[in-house]
Amino acid sequence: DVKVTQSSRYLVKRTGEKVFLECVQDMDHENMFWYRQDPGLGLRLIYFSYDVKMKEKGDIPEGYSVSREKKERFSLILESASTNQTSMYLCASGWGGTNYGYTFGSGTRLTVV
Amino acid sequence: SQELEQSPQSLIVQEGKNLTINCTSSKTLYGLYWYKQKYGEGLIFLMMLQKGGEEKSHEKITAKLDEKKQQSSLHITASQPSHAGIYLCGADMRGFKTIFGAGTRLFVKA
Repeated sequence: DVKVTQSSRYLVKRTGEKVFLECVQDMDHENMFWYRQDPGLGLRLIYFSYDVKMKEKGDIPEGYSVSREKKERFSLILESASTNQTSMYLCASGWGGTNYGYTFGSGTRLTVV
Repeated sequence: SQELEQSPQSLIVQEGKNLTINCTSSKTLYGLYWYKQKYGEGLIFLMMLQKGGEEKSHEKITAKLDEKKQQSSLHITASQPSHAGIYLCGADMRGFKTIFGAGTRLFVKA
């Protein structure tokens, strides 16, 4: 089974801290994604990457950056955490033009206090 | 603005009853995905629909795509407590980007 592993299930950080969320996949997928999920808003795409060192902004990239130095790892960085970044963060990976959907990690619930 | 609208937002059904969840797009659908999410966890892929009129089934879950209406419906027959969770539709709008609806929360009463 394809696995997408997110480093933490729960995280509590202080306002202004730099936060790293890690995501690792073991299926050599080209594409990796970071979403945040908020009640009533569904999943919103923050950033995605279609190759090593390549990244594209999603719909809500402000306040975030990403890093993809290796194919299997896609990191989401909150440069200076704010309370409005309290959310559930989901990582996903898959092939381009897939007929099988993407594989999601279990999510990281981040609380910024 | 939301490009994928799901209805209803939440649903409570008695075990054994059938139910339908709808997903409507404001733009042309090139691919429509259905995912299930258990509360507080990641998403599990159920199925993908691409062609107008296409229908797929996964166990007791059936989904159809009506391309003309830019709508998909997900139907669960004889619901069970294991069906409880959040159902999300996703669509490939352009390139590699998949966007999602807000989700439908399903509760199944035993």
